[in-house]
Amino acid sequence: SQKIEQNSEALNIQEGKTATLTCNYTNYSPAYLQWYRQDPGRGPVFLLLIRENEKEKRKERLKVTFDTTLKQSLFHITASQPADSATYLCAAQMDSSYKLIFGSGTRLLVRP
Amino acid sequence: NAGVTQTPKFQVLKTGQSMTLQCAQDMNHNSMYWYRQDPGMGLRLIYYSASEGTTDKGEVPNGYNVSRLNKREFSLRLESAAPSQTSVYFCASSQGHSWSYGYTFGSGTRLTVV
Repeated sequence: SQKIEQNSEALNIQEGKTATLTCNYTNYSPAYLQWYRQDPGRGPVFLLLIRENEKEKRKERLKVTFDTTLKQSLFHITASQPADSATYLCAAQMDSSYKLIFGSGTRLLVRP
Repeated sequence: NAGVTQTPKFQVLKTGQSMTLQCAQDMNHNSMYWYRQDPGMGLRLIYYSASEGTTDKGEVPNGYNVSRLNKREFSLRLESAAPSQTSVYFCASSQGHSWSYGYTFGSGTRLTVV
């Protein structure tokens, strides 16, 4: 079956460093990938969308890449801040329907 | 703008009871979705409505029904609640039914079935 996989282990980094989160997908090649941020007790918040032909997308301190050969998307936060601490989810359409499938998320902790 | 509003925020049900989770959006979005989120399992799609008047099953539809009452409102009904339905439920909406639009999520309903 189609899967989206994210590292379940929390990523713990020092303030000011670049955080890099990974999203891998199997058994399907999505045309789009999306990234969301989720804070405890809140709903996910949409951050970025990248199309398969875009390779890279940027928004302020955020950068997303999409490697269709490796079947992987990387999510980078440069100059990370404690306020960036949250769980980050990737999501994609994994078949020809309208369904958006989510990974289970990776928790990011930024130490001051 | 309120975005996506879900009610109630918390609910405790006894096994076998029924209830309806309400969701409304004020962004004039065409598509609406219901997800459940369980620890370690991510968000799983229960039902979705690509446009007013249509509904379709997602990954985990068993035990649930939905109604797209109008363009704004999309409700989720549990006819006979089971402990396995203990979860956090999120409603979301998007501008179109295409996966090229980001979703706007509500703040969730935390449901416990005892």
